[in-house]
Amino acid sequence: NAGVTQTPKFRVLKTGQSMTLLCAQDMNHEYMYWYRQDPGMGLRLIHYSVGEGTTAKGEVPDGYNVSRLKKQNFLLGLESAAPSQTSVYFCASSYIGVGTGELFFGEGSRLTVL
Amino acid sequence: GNSVTQMEGPVTLSEEAFLTINCTYTATGYPSLFWYVQYPGEGLQLLLKATKADDKGSNKGFEATYRKETTSFHLEKGSVQVSDSAVYFCALTVTQGGSEKLVFGKGTKLTVNP
Repeated sequence: NAGVTQTPKFRVLKTGQSMTLLCAQDMNHEYMYWYRQDPGMGLRLIHYSVGEGTTAKGEVPDGYNVSRLKKQNFLLGLESAAPSQTSVYFCASSYIGVGTGELFFGEGSRLTVL
Repeated sequence: GNSVTQMEGPVTLSEEAFLTINCTYTATGYPSLFWYVQYPGEGLQLLLKATKADDKGSNKGFEATYRKETTSFHLEKGSVQVSDSAVYFCALTVTQGGSEKLVFGKGTKLTVNP
């Protein structure tokens, strides 16, 4: 029972490089989210999706793009990485809205931008 | 806007001590309230929740009561164990753009010593 799987788990980039984080869930969830976690800041929502083919901006969307071409996958892209994007990124999914449902999180992807 | 404020950590306790982690919130309307827990090296997982005033959420010996009059949702456990060492996040729901999202507090790190 995989749940939410993130790849890669660790990555080091140089400033200006691009990369994509992949999130896959096998629970047939409609909603998917990308958060970043920084020391002393808690989790902040980057982008989210309420269904296949939809995306929306969260609290800190600048510098990131996302796509949800398939229901089970939610991709987070960095077109030109900056040191400020050094963080731990978490993907999450939920079957219904978070008010009554539960978010299921992946184990995180640690990104370092030099 | 809706937000949560958690007591700053870190919190260090001895095994079998009583635990309280304070959480207060600011909200319009009637948000749902949650506690999520993050064990070392893992993603967050739901610990307990309450969806309306005076509800008590409970799980694994932890409890929290939704207090509308004091806008609080304090986490308590009567006797902590070493295995409870983790970071605890208070969260509430926010409705924006027609969809519900979670807003997290900054987290409180708990260390329980044998």
